[in-house]
Amino acid sequence: DIQMTQSPSSLSASVGDRVTITCRASQSISNYLNWYQQKAGKAPNLLIYAASSLQSGVPSRFSGSGSGTDFTLTISSLQPEDFAAYFCQQSYSTPRTFGQGTKVDIK
Amino acid sequence: EVQLVQSGVEVKKPGESLRISCKGSGYSFTSYWINWVRQMPGKGLDWMGRIDPADSYTNYSPSFQGHVTISIDKSISTAYLQWSSLKASDTAMYYCARRYCSGGRCQLDYWGQGTLVTVSS
Repeated sequence: DIQMTQSPSSLSASVGDRVTITCRASQSISNYLNWYQQKAGKAPNLLIYAASSLQSGVPSRFSGSGSGTDFTLTISSLQPEDFAAYFCQQSYSTPRTFGQGTKVDIK
Repeated sequence: EVQLVQSGVEVKKPGESLRISCKGSGYSFTSYWINWVRQMPGKGLDWMGRIDPADSYTNYSPSFQGHVTISIDKSISTAYLQWSSLKASDTAMYYCARRYCSGGRCQLDYWGQGTLVTVSS
């Protein structure tokens, strides 16, 4: 199985901050990497697919980058509605493993 | 509008059987695989497996193979996740999600609202 490791596990930030979350795969996965946001009590929501493509309807302050084993999700200016958990997932091979998640909360 | 609507909250005892459902609407149900994802209380997301509604072909994570069964009834656009003998450790929220692929890359673009399963004696 491909292991996905996110860092940090949690972070505290203020509205307007630039936030970066990283995801590392245990082997090369090209750009077979997706990012999801999960707000408390809700189902996950797709933000970024194929490492850097923005899902329709997702604000442009979200961006993704990376290829191979190292990936980044960036929120350029954190908004109140962005306080949530974020998960990466590889779609290179089965089982489709997720990272352990990064919780973004209010400083 | 694409929707995945899951069945309601379940409270069961260890050893009991259970089947939860996920009904798709607003799209061609047989054209997109359905995935199941577990989220234990306060924890992350665990991919369980998937099914192709067109031919009922399934893939399971080794962590769940043999403990759950994923099935489909395409006549009513519904996918199922089933246990024959529940354990307390099956207590979790379970999500279904539609797999969308383009350019050889696939992602889970629509999710159900989740079904909370509690297993307790």
